[in-house]
Amino acid sequence: EAQVTQNPRYLITVTGKKLTVTCSQNMNHEYMSWYRQDPGLGLRQIYYSMNVEVTDKGDVPEGYKVSRKEKRNFPLILESPSPNQTSLYFCASSSTAEKRRELFFGEGSRLTVL
Amino acid sequence: AQSVTQPDIHITVSEGASLELRCNYSYGATPYLFWYVQSPGQGLQLLLKYFSGDTLVQGIKGFEAEFKRSQSSFNLRKPSVHWSDAAEYFCAVGAHSGANNLFFGTGTRLTVIP
Repeated sequence: EAQVTQNPRYLITVTGKKLTVTCSQNMNHEYMSWYRQDPGLGLRQIYYSMNVEVTDKGDVPEGYKVSRKEKRNFPLILESPSPNQTSLYFCASSSTAEKRRELFFGEGSRLTVL
Repeated sequence: AQSVTQPDIHITVSEGASLELRCNYSYGATPYLFWYVQSPGQGLQLLLKYFSGDTLVQGIKGFEAEFKRSQSSFNLRKPSVHWSDAAEYFCAVGAHSGANNLFFGTGTRLTVIP
């Protein structure tokens, strides 16, 4: 089954404690991206990757890091989480082929930073 | 810069009634348009997309949308709403070339009453 898998789905942590949210896709997609969803703000892009070893900032990259060492994986790293990073996070992937650029989303990771 | 406006934050309709969710976009080039649905606790699922050609596109679950370039709109419609359609709906715009980044509206929450 084609899917994007995120872990953990739920996490409560404390300010300053480094954490990683993993994302893996099994569709051989070149493009992957991270979004955060906050009430009234919709989805805002954090980082994206067009292919292995190619990453770039989205609209709200501050406080986050990413890496793309393998095509299927795109982890999101919070080096020193702060309460304003409490949010619902989505990983997504897509093909870069014309007419096939729709995003496939994971089920989300709800993060609370105390 | 790209932007998407969904002017209705919350809409309530009766089961069996027709539905129209509004979406206006701002984009300097030919847009690639999407509607996604998010059920509670779930990720986003693609309902339909417009890339080119026929401006009336059909999607899953009986939804359709019409691209009107002159009005910069891509409104979502359904002739008869079912209780299971209660969810949050997001409109998004992307580019035909370059990065696969999508810009999302802030969403419209649909409530269906019996």
